[in-house]
Amino acid sequence: EAGVVQSPRYKIIEKKQPVAFWCNPISGHNTLYWYRQNLGQGPELLIRYENEEAVDDSQLPKDRFSAERLKGVDSTLKIQPAELGDSAVYLCASSFRDYPREQYFGPGTRLTVT
Amino acid sequence: KQEVTQIPAALSVPEGENLVLNCSFTDSAIYNLQWFRQDPGKGLTSLLLIQSSQREQTSGRLNASLDKSSGRSTLYIAASQPGDSATYLCALRNGGSQGNLIFGKGTKLSVKP
Repeated sequence: EAGVVQSPRYKIIEKKQPVAFWCNPISGHNTLYWYRQNLGQGPELLIRYENEEAVDDSQLPKDRFSAERLKGVDSTLKIQPAELGDSAVYLCASSFRDYPREQYFGPGTRLTVT
Repeated sequence: KQEVTQIPAALSVPEGENLVLNCSFTDSAIYNLQWFRQDPGKGLTSLLLIQSSQREQTSGRLNASLDKSSGRSTLYIAASQPGDSATYLCALRNGGSQGNLIFGKGTKLSVKP
């Protein structure tokens, strides 16, 4: 069974440029999560989807970040414009909505903003 | 606000040694707790999940325990191998089944041959 798929794996952009990350969750998983992980830190949640609905986006910097999950499957996370402080690893995870909600993570996208 | 602490930040042991990684938390009203492994440049791999009603979970050489009253979880690794070298993160879920995972910063483990 395929795991969580993310692309691209690496991205280098100049500040003020836009960037987008794509995630395909495990088949059948209702819930999709986007996390940001800074160096030496644990992941921090940016947004959580239940099917196509964003149920928790309280930590998403909405002035520059946006996300969508059309048809409740794949998801895209966008940053526009990127800032130097956005350099991090962006992780996507998925789980079933019901007990025990064990999360499975993708390999992440390492973003470098220069 | 829930805080998750993992000490030590880094640990180096010789191959074959048994070891314990620690995770402490400030709010005992947790729903469940997960231990993850992260290899350099990779995503997180789920190792064990303990529900709040459970005391421990085992998988192969790994054993995770949970003591809510003291705000602690431990991950025990038996007979460590160089392939166990990675960063180990604990994460817990507050606020019932709809709560979000809160992660510690991880313990970087190095097992020397």
